[in-house]
Amino acid sequence: DAKTTQPTSMDCAEGRAANLPCNHSTISGNEYVYWYRQIHSQGPQYIIHGLKNNETNEMASLIITEDRKSSTLILPHATLRDTAVYYCIVRVDDDYKLSFGAGTTVTVRA
Amino acid sequence: ETGVTQTPRHLVMGMTNKKSLKCEQHLGHNAMYWYKQSAKKPLELMFVYSLEERVENNSVPSRFSPECPNSSHLFLHLHTLQPEDSALYLCASSPVGLTSGVDTQYFGPGTRLTVL
Repeated sequence: DAKTTQPTSMDCAEGRAANLPCNHSTISGNEYVYWYRQIHSQGPQYIIHGLKNNETNEMASLIITEDRKSSTLILPHATLRDTAVYYCIVRVDDDYKLSFGAGTTVTVRA
Repeated sequence: ETGVTQTPRHLVMGMTNKKSLKCEQHLGHNAMYWYKQSAKKPLELMFVYSLEERVENNSVPSRFSPECPNSSHLFLHLHTLQPEDSALYLCASSPVGLTSGVDTQYFGPGTRLTVL
């Protein structure tokens, strides 16, 4: 699986959009971009995934650049409950492995 | 609620004890996973079962013994553990083979294990 690079931490204000970047410059054509988050001492929670096109669901939006070398997860209106570690993962769709790195620790402040 | 439950949520055991962790998924998935998350470390995949057959065993010590009696239940049997085995143990499931395209894993809340 391709490696990903994320900032170690970031703060954002409650009610504002949170934009979380991820670099995956060595991504292969058949690798998807996944985002999970883990609130302190809980199991990781699936957020969203995409291959080429931008994706949106009830939790977030995923913007993937045209060359697929980077992506941004957008939480449109951050709340205090969005404080968590956010993981960007790339994987082939039929691979069991889900390789979690260090992620980005996001702190939403009132 | 992700549809994956784990019991117990917390467990304290001595090095000579034998205990088991239980995971149950209510999602109709075909694959189940055990992960370990030690303090300040990324999640590590331990075991993968697909259609009740073990398909992955990531060099895990034999003091950890998985069991998958059916596609809805997964156990992790523990014996003669070491203090460094203290960690959050996470179970996940995925629909592999049931849907076309990507295979998304859904996690349980985890069992916080402390080995004294």
